[in-house]
Amino acid sequence: NAGVMQNPRHLVRRRGQEARLRCSPMKGHSHVYWYRQLPEEGLKFMVYLQKENIIDESGMPKERFSAEFPKEGPSILRIQQVVRGDSAAYFCASSRESGGELFFGEGSRLTVL
Amino acid sequence: TQLLEQSPQFLSIQEGENLTVYCNSSSVFSSLQWYRQEPGEGPVLLVTVVTGGEVKKLKRLTFQFGDARKDSSLHITAAQPGDTGLYLCAGDVAGSNYKLTFGKGTLLTVNP
Repeated sequence: NAGVMQNPRHLVRRRGQEARLRCSPMKGHSHVYWYRQLPEEGLKFMVYLQKENIIDESGMPKERFSAEFPKEGPSILRIQQVVRGDSAAYFCASSRESGGELFFGEGSRLTVL
Repeated sequence: TQLLEQSPQFLSIQEGENLTVYCNSSSVFSSLQWYRQEPGEGPVLLVTVVTGGEVKKLKRLTFQFGDARKDSSLHITAAQPGDTGLYLCAGDVAGSNYKLTFGKGTLLTVNP
């Protein structure tokens, strides 16, 4: 499968735990984007990363959320001390170049109990 | 505040019928994209419109961007069951092509 790979597809956490979501971009893509889809809402931009750099994090909540895209390995979206309001579908997208077409993964659905 | 309003929210039609769904905003967009999303999947890009008044055709799908670049429509001719899905519009205000604002979508069901 040469598409954007996200895992886990489903994640259940209790309040206060940490959630780590992983995203491997399409082959040849070096630009990664994270979006969040809250229940009954449209997808909202969170962060744009290139290898080892955060380009735009204007959509990220100021606390508890962080993202990275290391030189080797997948991009990670980390949510510390999760709360029920973090329950959502988190989608990753990648593009070959900046401003290029976005290809979305299947999403990771986080449920906070 | 919902920046992009899509209507109708739900649409159920019979195979062979025509339909139009709408995407409206009070904001001007540098570009607007239409996606289709299947249950449990991520959105898949159908088309990007950039110029006010632009019309693009993709087989039985016709996309139009409003003259003022604030709204768009998607028209499907002779709908087929395979067209069933969630149709999302997404606008780019800043010209970044990645900081997209998505509508909530129109859920289309085409019955055989």
